[in-house]
Amino acid sequence: DIVVTQSPDSLAVSLGERATINCKSSQSVLYTSNNKNYLAWYQQKPGQPPKLLIYWASTRESGVPDRFSGSGSGTDFTLTISSLQAEDVAVYYCQQYYSTSPITFGQGTRLEIK
Amino acid sequence: QVQLVQSGAEVKKPGASVKVSCKASGYTFTDYYMHWVRQAPGQGLEWMGWINPNSDGTKYAQKFQGRVTMTRDTSISTAYMEVSRLTSDDTAVYYCVRGRSCTSTSCYGGFDNWGRGTLVTVSS
Repeated sequence: DIVVTQSPDSLAVSLGERATINCKSSQSVLYTSNNKNYLAWYQQKPGQPPKLLIYWASTRESGVPDRFSGSGSGTDFTLTISSLQAEDVAVYYCQQYYSTSPITFGQGTRLEIK
Repeated sequence: QVQLVQSGAEVKKPGASVKVSCKASGYTFTDYYMHWVRQAPGQGLEWMGWINPNSDGTKYAQKFQGRVTMTRDTSISTAYMEVSRLTSDDTAVYYCVRGRSCTSTSCYGGFDNWGRGTLVTVSS
């Protein structure tokens, strides 16, 4: 299995400040034939299903505010929220879909307002 | 708009089976894969497998092999996921999730639409 590890487990950031969440995979999720990183980010608010934010490590899903951005390649990835808004309080998950044996998620990072 | 409407909450006894349905609308059902992901109370996300509604092909996480069956009925754009031999560890919210195409080894893109989830509680 590809193990996906997020850091930190929880994070408190002031409104308007930058929030950064890291994701590390136990093996590369970069498919060299198409130069794509098979990694996605999701946001889950209480009582709701997850919502896709970013796929291919850096492509923003339609309708997602541009304060959300993804970066990284190979085994190390970052989700950045450039200016935290109150509605961004949630748990964030990264996911690798490079291997379906099995598809795996990080353990989640809880983001709160400081 | 894309909608995935799941069946209602279930309470089952240990050893029983449960079958969850997921009715899709707002897109061509056979053009996208359907995945199932579960989330135990207060825990993270666990992928269970996918079904290709076009071919009826499936792939299950090894953890669930022999205990999970994913099926579909294209005439009513509905996917199903059945789990047998339930234990208390299977208590979770089960989500159906739309995804783009997959090969036998990887998938193409993230999971772009999620159902609201079906809570399955296993208790004696």
